[in-house]
Amino acid sequence: GIQVEQSPPDLILQEGANSTLRCNFSDSVNNLQWFHQNPWGQLINLFYIPSGTKQNGRLSATTVATERYSLLYISSSQTTDSGVYFCAVASGYSTLTFGKGTMLLVSP
Amino acid sequence: EAGVVQSPRYKIIEKKQPVAFWCNPISGHNTLYWYRQNLGQGPELLIRYENEEAVDDSQLPKDRFSAERLKGVDSTLKIQPAELGDSAVYLCASSRELVLFEKSDSGANVLTFGAGSRLTVL
Repeated sequence: GIQVEQSPPDLILQEGANSTLRCNFSDSVNNLQWFHQNPWGQLINLFYIPSGTKQNGRLSATTVATERYSLLYISSSQTTDSGVYFCAVASGYSTLTFGKGTMLLVSP
Repeated sequence: EAGVVQSPRYKIIEKKQPVAFWCNPISGHNTLYWYRQNLGQGPELLIRYENEEAVDDSQLPKDRFSAERLKGVDSTLKIQPAELGDSAVYLCASSRELVLFEKSDSGANVLTFGAGSRLTVL
C-alpha cells in the first residue's frame, strides 16, 4: 500500500509564528486530505487537495502530485491551532491511508 | 445538519468481554468507515462500507471483530472477546460518495469523523 511520511513529527511555536508541515507519499494519488485533531480527539477536515493550492483563512495547502508531496502552511499561529495534523492519501478507489501526524504546540 | 454520531464515548471492560460500538453517519452519506487509532498514531482503517456492502475489510481482524451496516445507514462494530491490545479509540467517519476524479469542490470525497469511542480493556 501507499506509504505516507509526515514531517516534522513535533513542532513547538510561539503564538504569531508561521509554520510549514510536509507530507510525502510513495505513489500517485487522486485523493489527499489534511485533518486537524484537537486536544479532545476530534478530527476535522481542513482541505481536500489532491493537486494544486487552496487557502482557508490563515491556513493554506499545496500538493505537487508529480513530485508526491503536499505542504500545509499555518500563518500567524494561535494557541487554538495546537493539536495533531494528519495527512491522508489514497489512489484509485482505495481508502485513505493516514500518516503518523505532526504534533503542534503553540504557546502564548 | 447533525454530524457523525458515535456511542458510547467511553467504555471500560475486562478482557474476554464483548463490546459494541454504534455509528450514525451524516444523512445522505453512502460511504461509512471504521478506523482504529492507537495512542500517538494515525487512524488505521478497519472496514469501509459503500451503502450496505463492505468493500474494504482487509484489515479487520475477523477472528474477533465483526461489523454490519443494515439498510445502508447505521453501523455497529463488535469485538468478542476483547483483548488488552484492543484498547484504542474507535473512529467512525462518513463521506457522500467515493469519486475517482472529483473535478469540482463538491465535497463528495471529504471525510467527516465522529467524536470516537475510547475503549479500555483491563
